Parts: sequence; C-alpha cells; structure tokens
Amino acid sequence: AQSVTQLGSHVSVSEGALVLLRCNYSSSVPPYLFWYVQYPNQGLQLLLKYTSAATLVKGINGFEAEFKKSETSFHLTKPSAHMSDAAEYFCAVSVNDMRFGAGTRLTVKP
Amino acid sequence: DGGITQSPKYLFRKEGQNVTLSCEQNLNHDAMYWYRQDPGQGLRLIYYSQIVNDFQKGDIAEGYSVSREKKESFPLTVTSAQKNPTAFYLCASSILAGRPIEAFFGQGTRLTVV
Repeated sequence: AQSVTQLGSHVSVSEGALVLLRCNYSSSVPPYLFWYVQYPNQGLQLLLKYTSAATLVKGINGFEAEFKKSETSFHLTKPSAHMSDAAEYFCAVSVNDMRFGAGTRLTVKP
Repeated sequence: DGGITQSPKYLFRKEGQNVTLSCEQNLNHDAMYWYRQDPGQGLRLIYYSQIVNDFQKGDIAEGYSVSREKKESFPLTVTSAQKNPTAFYLCASSILAGRPIEAFFGQGTRLTVV
C-alpha cells in the first residue's frame, strides 16, 4: 500500500526566509504526488501535483516541489516566506485511492 | 459554480444517535472520498467510491457507513458504534485516469458529541 511521511509536525520560519517542508513516499508503482494547504476550519486546496511529467513542479503562491525517485522524496519549497503562508500543509500520494501525511504546521514570524 | 458541498458545517450528536453527513458534487467526478481529521493525525481515509453502487473501506471504516446511489452524492453515516466520533470530516472527489488526480475538497463538517 502507498503512504507518505511528513518530517516535522511544526516548522517555524521568519518572514522572507526559505520554506522547506519535507515529504517522503512509499509506493509499489510510480506514484502521483500532491501538496495541499489547509487554513483553519476549511477544506484542502491543491498547491501542486506530480503526475510523471517534469520532476520539478511549480505550484500556486510561489511554491514548488521536486520529485526525487532515488530519495523517494517530494519536498515543498518557497524561496521567501510570507505571513499569509502560515497554514497546515499536507503531502499526499495516489494509487487506487489518495492517502495523506500527518501534516506540517507552518508558522511565519514577522 | 462547480464544486463540492458538505452540509451541515457544524453538527451536534447525542451519544447513541446515528447522524448522516451530506456530500454533493457537480464536477462530474467518478471518485468520491470521506476522510476524518483529528489534530496531529492528518487525514485518515474512511471510505471511498470509484463508481456508483460500489465503495471500498479505508483505514478506519468501523462505525461508519456510506452509500453511492448517485454519481453526485456520497453521504456518510456515523453510527452509534463509532466510539469517538468527534472530529472534522472532509469529503473529496476526483477524476480517475487509472488513479485519482487532484482531489477537490468540500469545506468540511465538524461533528461534536454532546
């Protein structure tokens, strides 16, 4: 069965600093991978997705992620954090269904 | 506007009662999902359905039931057998192209047992 592991339940950065949220996956077939963002008491919104095309995927709000098969990773990055980026971020993998990681809460300090 | 509608947004249940959470989508998606969200545990899959009149158990199906009589609708019933039902419930749908692509989510239902 497929699964994802998000390293770090909480990440805190200063405004303007690099954001790095880590995700490792496990899948018996080539995976489709996703990053979602959730604001309090709301549903999830897709940031970006990898579906076996380009390994460097650009998403909304300046986020991007790189698929590295050798490391089974799909880490999310943003060069410069903004206060509005504070939210919870989920990595997900799909094969027959869609499975999510435990989430990483991002805090942005002024 | 296309999207997924969950209702109600807040729901209170007395112990021993069954309650049904509604999920409707007008995206013409084949697949629909129910997830439960608890603090620090991410989203855990309860049930999913890839086609009308068929559905599969996820990781935490005990105490829950679903139906998929119409493509647009995938209601979730939280039964009295679910011992700890207080949580945030999220419904999603996706296109299937051999596998799910880009799940779209509703705004969630927060269920509280009183």
